[in-house]
Amino acid sequence: DQQVKQNSPSLSVQEGRISILNCDYTNSMFDYFLWYKKYPAEGPTFLISISSIKDKNEDGRFTVFLNKSAKHLSLHIVPSQPGDSAVYFCAGIDSGTYKYIFGTGTRLKVLA
Amino acid sequence: GAGVSQTPSNKVTEKGKYVELRCDPISGHTALYWYRQSLGQGPEFLIYFQGTGAADDSGLPNDRFFAVRPEGSVSTLKIQRTERGDSAVYLCASSGTGTGGPGELFFGEGSRLTVL
Repeated sequence: DQQVKQNSPSLSVQEGRISILNCDYTNSMFDYFLWYKKYPAEGPTFLISISSIKDKNEDGRFTVFLNKSAKHLSLHIVPSQPGDSAVYFCAGIDSGTYKYIFGTGTRLKVLA
Repeated sequence: GAGVSQTPSNKVTEKGKYVELRCDPISGHTALYWYRQSLGQGPEFLIYFQGTGAADDSGLPNDRFFAVRPEGSVSTLKIQRTERGDSAVYLCASSGTGTGGPGELFFGEGSRLTVL
């Protein structure tokens, strides 16, 4: 059972435009969510997080939105830059277990 | 260095052989995780240590896989009788969170295992 789903395997966006990456989850025990970015041959690096008591968290060009009733979160990047081209993973965490469950990732390509 | 260190970065072995993968977490981090990432997939949870003990090993696929963290710092993932399906990148991550809820996981660059 895949608890975290990223249904778009890839996304292409023009430089300067907004990138929207989506993530759905099924585990209602998740109370914390993170987004990670991964370049080839490197480990994932942390981007932004959100607690389930919030519906929005913003950090510079990155904003994460959480819709608990829909069990959906999204990552907005604006403006998108070529250096943002990477694979993005969302992860859900149940703070009772501290088990981080990752989605399958979305490959973002920002076109110059 | 200051980050999570994993060795070897690449390991090629033959089917049936024994393999050890090492992870050196960020100094002072009490939580340590092992994940496995296959091509086109996200990181798949294997095991989580809090200190020296395995707090959750529910992700280990079978009894060929075993991990230890004897002194609460360095961890070793051990795979016996390797199979071709074990080929993947094995990622280690650490976290300093002990209170205040889940925090950021810091990942190493991974150990790429190829079983021929």
